[in-house]
Amino acid sequence: DVKVTQSSRYLVKRTGEKVFLECVQDMDHENMFWYRQDPGLGLRLIYFSYDVKMKEKGDIPEGYSVSREKKERFSLILESASTNQTSMYLCASSLTGRAAETQYFGPGTRLLVL
Amino acid sequence: AQSVTQPDIHITVSEGASLELRCNYSYGATPYLFWYVQSPGQGLQLLLKYFSGDTLVQGIKGFEAEFKRSQSSFNLRKPSVHWSDAAEYFCAVGARGSQGNLIFGKGTKLSVKP
Repeated sequence: DVKVTQSSRYLVKRTGEKVFLECVQDMDHENMFWYRQDPGLGLRLIYFSYDVKMKEKGDIPEGYSVSREKKERFSLILESASTNQTSMYLCASSLTGRAAETQYFGPGTRLLVL
Repeated sequence: AQSVTQPDIHITVSEGASLELRCNYSYGATPYLFWYVQSPGQGLQLLLKYFSGDTLVQGIKGFEAEFKRSQSSFNLRKPSVHWSDAAEYFCAVGARGSQGNLIFGKGTKLSVKP
């Protein structure tokens, strides 16, 4: 079974802090994704990566950056957290970048920025 | 541009009743279509997907979906709902050349009455 793990289930940070959200997958998947999920808005793609050190912006990249130094790990960075970044963050991975590929999701990190 | 519409934000059904969740998509070519389920506090899990062939697709947990090109729809059905089906359901569309990115609908929350 594919396993996608996220470093924290719940996180509380203060405005202006630098925040790191970590995601690890154990199935040698090429593609990894970061989404944020907000009530009534569904899932919105922040960034994705299709290879080590390769990244592409999604629909809402502002205020975020990412890092993929190793194939299994994809980090989401909030350079200076703001209250409007309070949200549920979901990481996903897929074996390849083919359109029919299944994405496997982690359990999510619920971030509260005070 | 691709888009996905789930017209129903919240649906309540009685246990044992049948279920249909609606999904309409906008895409110029034949899309890749997915249904995911998110149980409370969890990440998303794939229920089923369509990318070619038989337009009636069987999935896990007794769910099925039918692709209807003429109606741009991919509705999810289950003949008899169980209390454990209470969750949020997301329809998603993928496209060739998209590096595996998915466009998600805003979700339909399903409540099950005893």
